[in-house]
Amino acid sequence: DAGVIQSPRHEVTEMGQEVTLRCKPISGHNSLFWYRQTMMRGLELLIYFNNNVPIDDSGMPEDRFSAKMPNASFSTLKIQPSEPRDSAVYFCASSSPEFQETQYFGPGTRLLVL
Amino acid sequence: AQSVAQPEDQVNVAEGNPLTVKCTYSVSGNPYLFWYVQYPNRGLQFLLKYITGDNLVKGSYGFEAEFNKSQTSFHLKKPSALVSDSALYFCAVRALQTGANNLFFGTGTRLTVIP
Repeated sequence: DAGVIQSPRHEVTEMGQEVTLRCKPISGHNSLFWYRQTMMRGLELLIYFNNNVPIDDSGMPEDRFSAKMPNASFSTLKIQPSEPRDSAVYFCASSSPEFQETQYFGPGTRLLVL
Repeated sequence: AQSVAQPEDQVNVAEGNPLTVKCTYSVSGNPYLFWYVQYPNRGLQFLLKYITGDNLVKGSYGFEAEFNKSQTSFHLKKPSALVSDSALYFCAVRALQTGANNLFFGTGTRLTVIP
């Protein structure tokens, strides 16, 4: 199994631009999580989906952030417009129906907003 | 409310010595408890978990953790540290009865094993 796949691995953009981060969960997993990691705030859960349905988006910072999961094998996290304070590493994780409590993380997308 | 505390930002240990990375938790009811490790420029990797049963849980790379309900702790341990164990370690908790899948992570402890 290839594990959780995230793209791009690195993204540098200018303030005000739209940024789209992509995630492919492990095949057969039905829960998907988006996290943000910064030095100041540590690891924060932004949103998670169960069976493609958003369950808890209370961690989404503001309206500039949106996430979708159109099918079981793909999710996006979009920031529009981006701001320098959005600079962070964004992780996607997934878990299986049989072992929902164990999350498997992707390698992350390192985002820098100038 | 659920939370995890990792009281030490940094732990240094000499290679070959035993190591302990501390974690305490707060949760209503019975917890699921986890340890994850993060190597530089990588995502978090699952190490071990406690759900029920034996309080001593064994995981990957020779790590183990002991669930202590009275002290609400779940410290990570290894009898003999390796330089390659140097990484960032995260403790996490999930409450059993919430039905929610999300984990609450601690702030992380950076372990440095000195050759």
